Amino acid sequence: RKEVEQDPGPFNVPEGATVAFNCTYSNSASQSFFWYRQDCRKEPKLLMSVYSSGNEDGRFTAQLNRASQYISLLIRDSKLSDSATYLCVVIPGSGNTGKLIFGQGTTLQVKP
Amino acid sequence: EPEVTQTPSHQVTQMGQEVILRCVPISNHLYFYWYRQILGQKVEFLVSFYNNEISEKSEIFDDQFSVERPDGSNFTLKIRSTKLEDSAMYFCASFPGQGPAGNTIYFGEGSWLTVV
Repeated sequence: RKEVEQDPGPFNVPEGATVAFNCTYSNSASQSFFWYRQDCRKEPKLLMSVYSSGNEDGRFTAQLNRASQYISLLIRDSKLSDSATYLCVVIPGSGNTGKLIFGQGTTLQVKP
Repeated sequence: EPEVTQTPSHQVTQMGQEVILRCVPISNHLYFYWYRQILGQKVEFLVSFYNNEISEKSEIFDDQFSVERPDGSNFTLKIRSTKLEDSAMYFCASFPGQGPAGNTIYFGEGSWLTVV
């Protein structure tokens, strides 16, 4: 089983749509979870951390289900500028050394 | 905002040649990393560096790879004898390891390596 697994997509949605991405992770001891955004041939950039209680940042909502080892990202009112690849990222185990395990990413294309 | 800088941004090299990729991490950060991303594939961890030594490395990081921080500033990745399959984007990253931003890792813009 892959350490972090995502549906690669692509997800093609119209502007204004709501879209949800899912991710599963294999290491039950993982403690830290993130969503990163990556534009074509650019570095990954932190979008948001994911907390057990769920968290929201503007149009973006992240959820964590530890029992199912499942992470989600919801984007409301999609903008053209949201077009990118969204990376589910996990720090394995309980340490905080910054080593990140990346999913392969889910590609989002928002169309006018 | 603090930033990690990498050079070169793009390098083309012949198979079998040695390549050195350079990174200037954020000062006062404690952990440094190299990741790579083959075109169309996921970002993969290569190596982490803490307290002037390798703290962890992946299976990818074989004897052809080495890292060092020779002057306390630059953090380099050397590939001794490049292979075609080393063609990838290489990202340097640094991590404070403590303090208010202790949970944030910072990536450089990447060095795109093409082996021909």
